Amino acid sequence: GAVVSQHPSRVICKSGTSVKIECRSLDFQATTMFWYRQFPKQSLMLMATSNEGSKATYEQGVEKDKFLINHASLTLSTLTVTSAHPEDSSFYICSASSASYAGQYFGPGTRLTVT
Amino acid sequence: KQEVTQIPAALSVPEGENLVLNCSFTDSAIYNLQWFRQDPGKGLTSLLLIQSSQREQTSGRLNASLDKSSGRSTLYIAASQPGDSATYLCAVRPQAAGNKLTFGGGTRVLVKP
Repeated sequence: GAVVSQHPSRVICKSGTSVKIECRSLDFQATTMFWYRQFPKQSLMLMATSNEGSKATYEQGVEKDKFLINHASLTLSTLTVTSAHPEDSSFYICSASSASYAGQYFGPGTRLTVT
Repeated sequence: KQEVTQIPAALSVPEGENLVLNCSFTDSAIYNLQWFRQDPGKGLTSLLLIQSSQREQTSGRLNASLDKSSGRSTLYIAASQPGDSATYLCAVRPQAAGNKLTFGGGTRVLVKP
């Protein structure tokens, strides 16, 4: 099946710094990529949807100036958490969809800890 | 607004028993429904995808049914094994919302040896 990777898998940063998370589709072209956030023992919360070459669409309540999403190519999307604070600590998961599959392929997730 | 509910939230069974996981959704205008497995600290692994025109999908010991009119899907796992211990999530892709998924809260499964 199709593979989606995320890098890094874990990151620890100091409060006030910015962190970039990469999401790559390794063997297919992702027409759309999605970014989710997951708190412990909770389900996934969609943060934003991005299409290659266009601005991301953010869900209600998600600060677009804090969570910058770039989808520069059909295989790469990045999420930058700017001026991170401890409350941004979470598990971030990306997914990707293609024209040939009706579902979504999910990455392995990135654990962000802000100290 | 589509809402997806999974009951029970947690389930513990002895090895060998069949597992029955339930997923309900409020809006029957769906494009498809997907079942996922998530191990602690990991991403999601897709198990089965059922298109809105389908009644069920099978893969090995897994069988998922879909009753769109009543807003329900059931995931059956036959002859459970300790390796089946994980959280199982269902997600609905509504017809009107592009490719966005709405997730249920998940069912945490523990299969005891």
